[in-house]
Amino acid sequence: DTAVSQTPKYLVTQMENDKSIKCEQNLGHDTMYWYKQDSKKFLKIMFSYNNKELIINETVPNRFSPKSPDKAHLNLHINSLELGDSAVYFCASSQGAGGYVIEQFFGPGTRLTVL
Amino acid sequence: AQKITQTQPGMFVQEKEAVTLDCTYDTSDPSYGLFWYKQPSSGEMIFLIYQGSYDQQNATEGRYSLNFQKARKSANLVISASQLGDSAMYFCAMKNSGYALNFGKGTSLLVTP
Repeated sequence: DTAVSQTPKYLVTQMENDKSIKCEQNLGHDTMYWYKQDSKKFLKIMFSYNNKELIINETVPNRFSPKSPDKAHLNLHINSLELGDSAVYFCASSQGAGGYVIEQFFGPGTRLTVL
Repeated sequence: AQKITQTQPGMFVQEKEAVTLDCTYDTSDPSYGLFWYKQPSSGEMIFLIYQGSYDQQNATEGRYSLNFQKARKSANLVISASQLGDSAMYFCAMKNSGYALNFGKGTSLLVTP
C-alpha cells in the first residue's frame, strides 16, 4: 500500500499548456504539502493545507493553484507552463502542522519537463 | 529566519567505513526538530532520523546516528558500516513551530567498493 501517491510520475508538456498533478495519502493525515525540487536539487515549500485550509502560500507565481477537495487529496494545477517550471514536485503529508516533532511523509515525486 | 547549511556538496566513502555528513542550522526558536532524508537516484525522499531540540540523547536508527551538538548548532549524520546502497543525496532539514520543513542544499554521497 502506497502511503503518499502522486500521478503522474512523469509529465512532459509544451510551454503555455495547463497541467495538473494529483496527490493522495492514505495515512489519515490532516496536513498536506507541495514542495518543488529544482535542477540543483534544492527543495522548497510551495503550499500547505491543513484540514482543507490553506496554511502556507509561499511566493509562488499565480499560475500555480493548489486545491484540496478533502483531507486525503491535494492537487496542483499549473497554468500557462513556462520553461522554468521544469522541476520535480513532491507531495508530502503529516499529522498536524504546527509542531516541531512532526515527520512529513513524501510521495515519489512528479518530474515535470516543459519543452 | 531559519537556515540550514550543508557545506559538503559531495563525499566519498569506502564500503564498510563510517562517514559523517555535516549539517549546521540557525534558528531563534527554542523548539525545533531536525530531520535527515535520503534521496537515492530513483528520486523518492526517505526519512532516516529525527532529533528534537529538547532531546537529551543523540538519536539512533540502525546504522544511522545523529551527532547533535546544540551549542554549536550542528546535527551531523553518521552512517556506520557504509553499504553501496547508501550512495544517494542526503538532506538535512529543520522544522520549528512553523508549518514547513526547511531543507539544506544536500550532500551527495558515493560509496565505493
